[in-house]
Amino acid sequence: QKEVEQDPGPLSVPEGAIVSLNCTYSNSAFQYFMWYRQYSRKGPELLMYTYSSGNKEDGRFTAQVDKSSKYISLFIRDSQPSDSATYLCAMWRGSNYKLTFGKGTLLTVNP
Amino acid sequence: DAMVIQNPRYQVTQFGKPVTLSCSQTLNHNVMYWYQQKSSQAPKLLFHYYDKDFNNEADTPDNFQSRRPNTSFCFLDIRSPGLGDAAMYLCATSRDRLGRDGYTFGSGTRLTVV
Repeated sequence: QKEVEQDPGPLSVPEGAIVSLNCTYSNSAFQYFMWYRQYSRKGPELLMYTYSSGNKEDGRFTAQVDKSSKYISLFIRDSQPSDSATYLCAMWRGSNYKLTFGKGTLLTVNP
Repeated sequence: DAMVIQNPRYQVTQFGKPVTLSCSQTLNHNVMYWYQQKSSQAPKLLFHYYDKDFNNEADTPDNFQSRRPNTSFCFLDIRSPGLGDAAMYLCATSRDRLGRDGYTFGSGTRLTVV
């Protein structure tokens, strides 16, 4: 079992839809959880960052962490064509000083 | 703007011909990372530098080497590229070794091996 599992999609939604992206993980040692957005032929950029279980909101984006279920989600409200990208979840634990990434979910928002 | 810059954006090299990819940063971050990302796969950490301290991942092939001559620059050397080394190579930095507040990535170098 991989440490971090992420459905690669692709996911295609109409403009204005609510998007839900998810990752599961197996190692309870993960402490910090992040979402990166990667446009085609570009490097990932940090979108959301959270530590504790619960929700964190930033504009149209909400990151949710459920440590008891080892499950994290990213919700995008009122999705826009400019949100079309690959979304990577990433997790950090202190013991090895590195981020572990999911494979990424390719999202297309259609006008 | 403070940033991470990778050169070149696209690199074509011949099978077996050594190639060097470069990364520079204006963030003054202590840690620099090199990732390999193949299509539809998670970025795979090759190695990282914490200041001048080099840390190699156990499964990084010997074919891959790195140099960090100063805080701002880091290089990835592929001694004898094979077809399987064709990928996007991403450089990233973090303020400290904990990296808890995330990494800053460059735009990547897409390597093609012919």
